Amino acid sequence: DTGVSQNPRHKITKRGQNVTFRCDPISEHNRLYWYRQTLGQGPEFLTYFQNEAQLEKSRLLSDRFSAERPKGSFSTLEIQRTEQGDSAMYLCASISGSTHNEQFFGPGTRLTVL
Amino acid sequence: AQSVTQLDSQVPVFEEAPVELRCNYSSSVSVYLFWYVQYPNQGLQLLLKYLSGSTLVKGINGFEAEFNKSQTSFHLRKPSVHISDTAEYFCAVSDPNFGNEKLTFGTGTRLTIIP
Repeated sequence: DTGVSQNPRHKITKRGQNVTFRCDPISEHNRLYWYRQTLGQGPEFLTYFQNEAQLEKSRLLSDRFSAERPKGSFSTLEIQRTEQGDSAMYLCASISGSTHNEQFFGPGTRLTVL
Repeated sequence: AQSVTQLDSQVPVFEEAPVELRCNYSSSVSVYLFWYVQYPNQGLQLLLKYLSGSTLVKGINGFEAEFNKSQTSFHLRKPSVHISDTAEYFCAVSDPNFGNEKLTFGTGTRLTIIP
């Protein structure tokens, strides 16, 4: 399967713990997006990478959130000191070529903070 | 700032009947428009997109949408639905003049097909 993969698919954690999610984009895709989707809502933009550079961050991305994309390949999203409000589906999407081509989404990581 | 309104949170439709899912957007600039489908426990899949040109856009699985600039709408239609069309559908916009392709999504419409 050459699609976007995300791990883990599900994560249950206790409030205050740190969690890290991984996204592996389609190999030749140079642009990578993170979105967050809460119940009953559409996905909301979190951050964007072009190769290894993080070029934009949403105001939703508080200081407890950090994202990296070393070497312009896979990306990680870390949440420190998780709160119950962080419970959501975290989606990763990758894209290549001309601007506004199709964004290919991964299956998401569902985070539950108890 | 851009925003997307999907007026119907849930739409039940009998199998083989036609369906229209409504989407209106608000933007002070030109936009690109998208419809995505999300099946249970899966990521989003692109159904169709409007970037420019013909206002009637055809997508996968027999879906089509029409861009109406005067009404700021991009409604999704299918002439005859199937059980397999049961899913959540999201309308989204992006700014063609912005530096990246980040999407602003609506809240989604849950399409339920009744046998």
